[in-house]
Amino acid sequence: DQQVKQNSPSLSVQEGRISILNCDYTNSMFDYFLWYKKYPAEGPTFLISISSIKDKNEDGRFTVFLNKSAKHLSLHIVPSQPGDSAVYFCAASGGIQGAQKLVFGQGTRLTINP
Amino acid sequence: DVKVTQSSRYLVKRTGEKVFLECVQDMDHENMFWYRQDPGLGLRLIYFSYDVKMKEKGDIPEGYSVSREKKERFSLILESASTNQTSMYLCASSLPLGQARQFFGPGTRLTVL
Repeated sequence: DQQVKQNSPSLSVQEGRISILNCDYTNSMFDYFLWYKKYPAEGPTFLISISSIKDKNEDGRFTVFLNKSAKHLSLHIVPSQPGDSAVYFCAASGGIQGAQKLVFGQGTRLTINP
Repeated sequence: DVKVTQSSRYLVKRTGEKVFLECVQDMDHENMFWYRQDPGLGLRLIYFSYDVKMKEKGDIPEGYSVSREKKERFSLILESASTNQTSMYLCASSLPLGQARQFFGPGTRLTVL
C-alpha cells in the first residue's frame, strides 16, 4: 500500500506564477515531512521540511503547509523560475519503527514555462 | 557539506552476472540506505544499515543483499542480475536521529541486458 501519494505525475506552470505541489499520506504515525528536488541523472537534494507540531514552514520562495486532519501537505513555490523545473518528491517519517526511515511519494514532474 | 559518492554513474551488465554497487559517505553518519527509483513508483527502500555490520530489509529486498564492513561504506549486491533490476539506484546517509534528513549520492543508472 502506498503510504505517501503524489497524485499529480506532472505539473506545468508559467514562469513567475505560483507552483503548488500536493502530497497525501495515510499513516497517522508520520510526524516529519520533507520535500526533495531531483534533476535528471542527479541524486535528490533536500529542499524543505516540516514537523507535525507546525502547520507551515517557509524558506525563501518555498513554503510547505501541513494539514494534519486531512493528512495532506503542499509545497508552494513563489515565484516559479525555470531552474525549478525538476521532479519533486515528498517524503515522511515517524513512529517508533520508522523514525529514521523515509517513505517517498511517486514524484511530480514540475515544468516551468518561460 | 555531506558528500555521498557512488562508484559508477552508469553500468551495463548481463543477466545472471553478480553486480556490486558501492557507496561512500564522508560525514561519519551511522545510517545508510539503498533505494531504487523507477518512473511512477518514486523511491523504494531496498536495505537500510544503522551501524557497521547491521542491516535491515526495506520494502523490496528480494534479489539484493548488502554489506557494511566499514562505517563510511555501504555496498549493494545483486546476486544474479535480472532485467527487472534495470533501474536508478540511489544511496543515502543520515544521522541516527528521528527527523533527520537523508543526503543522497548522484545515483547509478544500471541496465541489465
